[in-house]
Amino acid sequence: QQKVQQSPESLSVPEGGMASLNCTSSDRNFQYFWWYRQHSGEGPKALMSIFSDGDKKEGRFTAHLNKASLHVSLHIRDSQPSDSALYFCAASGAGANTGKLTFGHGTILRVHP
Amino acid sequence: DPKIIQKPKYLVAVTGSEKILICEQYLGHNAMYWYRQSAKKPLEFMFSYSYQKLMDNQTASSRFQPQSSKKNHLDLQITALKPDDSATYFCASSQDGTGGTGQLYFGEGSKLTVL
Repeated sequence: QQKVQQSPESLSVPEGGMASLNCTSSDRNFQYFWWYRQHSGEGPKALMSIFSDGDKKEGRFTAHLNKASLHVSLHIRDSQPSDSALYFCAASGAGANTGKLTFGHGTILRVHP
Repeated sequence: DPKIIQKPKYLVAVTGSEKILICEQYLGHNAMYWYRQSAKKPLEFMFSYSYQKLMDNQTASSRFQPQSSKKNHLDLQITALKPDDSATYFCASSQDGTGGTGQLYFGEGSKLTVL
């Protein structure tokens, strides 16, 4: 069973709209969550991390974590065509090797003009 | 300028052959990693090195051998190649290899096709 599951698989939003991406983990050892973004032909780049319950806002991006349900979400307001990319949710356990992240399959976001 | 250099960007190999993927990072980081991204699987952790020492190995096969000749180098040797090894291999680094809060920086990947 996939330990990090993302939904939806793909998402299309209009420019200026709100994009909402979801991620659920089945492993209660996971304590730290990340969102990474990958544009075509490039490597993944970290967008933001969230380690505590509640919301974390960075510019147009807001992440939300509910540790009880192991649910993480990412909301992108005022979406831009440059936000079109593959978005990964990734998780790691407390005390684990920093680089050992478990990734979900990703959500393809398309922002259309 | 890219801070993590991976070479080659694309490579084609025949089944049974051997290839080495090169990775150099110029971020001054102490930990380096290899991840694999194939068509039907999510990005998968393979190896982690911290201060040139192997920290974790999640590959089931000994055909995959990381090689760290210098602190900022982590190459990946793959022997007896199989078509299932076809994937994009990403090198990554982080400031250190402890805890669970460090951000990873990825290279642009080496796309391997095994015929």
